[in-house]
Amino acid sequence: RKEVEQDPGPFNVPEGATVAFNCTYSNSASQSFFWYRQDCRKEPKLLMSVYSSGNEDGRFTAQLNRASQYISLLIRDSKLSDSATYLCAVNGDSGYSTLTFGKGTMLLVSP
Amino acid sequence: DTGVSQDPRHKITKRGQNVTFRCDPISEHNRLYWYRQTLGQGPEFLTYFQNEAQLEKSRLLSDRFSAERPKGSFSTLEIQRTEQGDSAMYLCASSPDRAGGYTFGSGTRLTVV
Repeated sequence: RKEVEQDPGPFNVPEGATVAFNCTYSNSASQSFFWYRQDCRKEPKLLMSVYSSGNEDGRFTAQLNRASQYISLLIRDSKLSDSATYLCAVNGDSGYSTLTFGKGTMLLVSP
Repeated sequence: DTGVSQDPRHKITKRGQNVTFRCDPISEHNRLYWYRQTLGQGPEFLTYFQNEAQLEKSRLLSDRFSAERPKGSFSTLEIQRTEQGDSAMYLCASSPDRAGGYTFGSGTRLTVV
């Protein structure tokens, strides 16, 4: 099993739709989890941290399931501007204390 | 300080040449990271500094790659005898502590011809 694995995508959704991404990780000792957004040919930008109790930021909700070792990102009321690649990142995987990133899931929101 | 700065933004080099990239982290951040990203992949860890100490290095990192962070401020990443497979986006990131997310620079896009 790969260390950090994401839904391959792309996800094509209409404006206003709700979309969810999942990300699984292999190291049960991982402590920090993040979602990043990456626009085409740009650097990743931190979208939100993922806390044990789950957290919400406007239309975005992140959840952590330690038992099943996955994190999720829910986007409600999708906007055209949400079109991007969403990367999950987990620390402590691959034997390093640094963040290990998934390959990313591309989201395309259409009018 | 507006963020993490990387220089140059783009670099085209001939195979076999040496290249050096520079990264200036956010000034309050003592942790600095180098990642590499190719098309369709997530960022891949290369190396990590805490202040001037290089604490981790990817097992996959060829000995043609070397990084420094003198005085715990800016960092340089050098690739010797470049190969076409080195073509990628080289991303630098910094963070204030172990638990926080990273702030990435805009990256240096390397093309080896």
